[in-house]
Amino acid sequence: DGGITQSPKYLFRKEGQNVTLSCEQNLNHDAMYWYRQDPGQGLRLIYYSQIVNDFQKGDIAEGYSVSREKKESFPLTVTSAQKNPTAFYLCASSIGGSGRTDTQYFGPGTRLTVL
Amino acid sequence: AQKITQTQPGMFVQEKEAVTLDCTYDTSDPSYGLFWYKQPSSGEMIFLIYQGSYDQQNATEGRYSLNFQKARKSANLVISASQLGDSAMYFCAMREANSGGGADGLTFGKGTHLIIQP
Repeated sequence: DGGITQSPKYLFRKEGQNVTLSCEQNLNHDAMYWYRQDPGQGLRLIYYSQIVNDFQKGDIAEGYSVSREKKESFPLTVTSAQKNPTAFYLCASSIGGSGRTDTQYFGPGTRLTVL
Repeated sequence: AQKITQTQPGMFVQEKEAVTLDCTYDTSDPSYGLFWYKQPSSGEMIFLIYQGSYDQQNATEGRYSLNFQKARKSANLVISASQLGDSAMYFCAMREANSGGGADGLTFGKGTHLIIQP
């Protein structure tokens, strides 16, 4: 079945440590995205990638880094520079290309807690 | 200013009734898309329905329809014959056309928590 997988589902880290969240898709989508969701809030865009080896900062990129070495993979690293990393992280993908009709499909999310 | 406003933090609806979830948006871009997503307690975002700014007709997908009033900048989601499984958070989102081409992210509202009561 085609879809988006994220691992792990729950992640705990100590303050000051970097941690990497995995996102894989087998939908053959060109575009991939990372969002952050805080309690009672909507999603906010961290980074997105339109194509392999290219990515752009979203609204809240500070303290995060990404890579896009393969079409199907878009890992997110939460660095120690992120001041408040505890949140629910959602990865999405879409066919890509220009315009407003490009629907994004989401993975199941990773809940990160900093101890 | 918020680009997407959902004014109903929570709603209680009796099973089998229709429900309307409000969404207003703010953009100066003539080309944009509006999306509704459902987020059950498991956390995954499930795409429900899409409406384009140039679409002449309101979008429909099964029990979901979108009441699109462009002049008022509103895109309300209507769920007909609600079911217990409809209980979830619902998010309205917008994507403005990227003048440079290529994919861009969605801007989300804060959501409405819908609870269907038996």
